[in-house]
Amino acid sequence: GQQLNQSPQSMFIQEGEDVSMNCTSSSIFNTWLWYKQEPGEGPVLLIALYKAGELTSNGRLTAQFGITRKDSFLNISASIPSDVGIYFCAGQLGANSKLTFGKGITLSVRP
Amino acid sequence: EADIYQTPRYLVIGTGKKITLECSQTMGHDKMYWYQQDPGMELHLIHYSYGVNSTEKGDLSSESTVSRIRTEHFPLTLESARPSHTSQYLCASRTDRGANYGYTFGSGTRLTVV
Repeated sequence: GQQLNQSPQSMFIQEGEDVSMNCTSSSIFNTWLWYKQEPGEGPVLLIALYKAGELTSNGRLTAQFGITRKDSFLNISASIPSDVGIYFCAGQLGANSKLTFGKGITLSVRP
Repeated sequence: EADIYQTPRYLVIGTGKKITLECSQTMGHDKMYWYQQDPGMELHLIHYSYGVNSTEKGDLSSESTVSRIRTEHFPLTLESARPSHTSQYLCASRTDRGANYGYTFGSGTRLTVV
């Protein structure tokens, strides 16, 4: 089946630093989604990407849909303590296809 | 604020008990999903529904069952809980209308079976 690869499993950065996360797949997707999950809560949608090459921003977050449709990245600029959480990428092939999730990256921000 | 609600948030229950985890959404979404997530791990799809009276099993085998009698309600039932069912259960919904295909998740139910 389809698999999404996110690594490393954990990232530790200093407050104010920028951080970039990658998500790669062995097969193509037509929609890429980035979610953040905080402890004890469900994932919250950060950014949705619908076209290859698309670059979309949401505040300090920027995400891109790779040209090959097999990857996506998420950038967080000027990190703050509340950026702490687990960041999941998810891919979907078609409107009626199921969502495939990566294993997530746990981000820690040192004040 | 949440438009998709899960109850209870936390549940500790004895082995062999029957339990129902509730999920309701007020967005009129056709598609609803149940995911199982162990701590620090990815989400695994266990059930989904594309509308009233439609239910399908997901990628991860689960001993739970679901029903979809009303658009807004998608409960998950475990007939006989076991310690291996201990996990977080997340409900989600989405619509195909418009350009946004993103899923909206509930806050989850953390189930512990002792």
